[in-house]
Amino acid sequence: QSALTQPRSVSGSPGQSVTISCTGTSSDVGGYNYVSWFQQHPGKAPKLMIYDVSRRPSGVPDRFSGSKSGNTASLTISGLQAEDEADYYCCSYAGAYSVVFGGGTKLTVL
Amino acid sequence: EVQLVESGGGLVQPGGSLRLSCATSGFTFSSFAMTWVRQAPGKGLEWVSGISGSGNGMSYADSVKGRFTISRDNSKNTLFLQMNSLRAEDTAVYFCAKGGRAAAGPIYFDYWGQGTLVTVSS
Repeated sequence: QSALTQPRSVSGSPGQSVTISCTGTSSDVGGYNYVSWFQQHPGKAPKLMIYDVSRRPSGVPDRFSGSKSGNTASLTISGLQAEDEADYYCCSYAGAYSVVFGGGTKLTVL
Repeated sequence: EVQLVESGGGLVQPGGSLRLSCATSGFTFSSFAMTWVRQAPGKGLEWVSGISGSGNGMSYADSVKGRFTISRDNSKNTLFLQMNSLRAEDTAVYFCAKGGRAAAGPIYFDYWGQGTLVTVSS
């Protein structure tokens, strides 16, 4: 049950695009198409942004997109806005009813 | 409207016990897997435990296995986490979260509670 690997921080200017990677193993990210991404602002509960690798819940802007290749999933945020500044966590089903999160990435909008 | 409200957190001494509750409304509780996720102060999210809609399937993180027990009361739409032999490293905000797909495992979580703080300290 090792945490998925994410960069500790990323940054971008308003209007730019950023991509956050999430690397796991064949037992989690690579083994299932059940990767999700959460956005968390300070002091708030996490908010689901992407599920099933690339699906967006209703209400999430289409600026947010997800993908996966092998054992690595990615979250791309295009057209960065100030309110996108937050912590982002990836999450993957890992079999046997278990789940694993990434360590989190702090997004700074410059 | 889906709502999840945690309670039961507080200050407890090392070796002590606490029982967290997560009262839910706005959805067919028994149809969805539920999970507990915690976040230590200034740290990232850590999955703690998950349970199937029926309550027959459950799983735990290695860090809590043998000390924590997840359960649910589908007649009261409530999720529980019994925490025994608590350690300082269990100090965290504990969130309950709802599985996103009916009759499925914990493949994603679409609604979260606001969290309840557990502090383990002498």
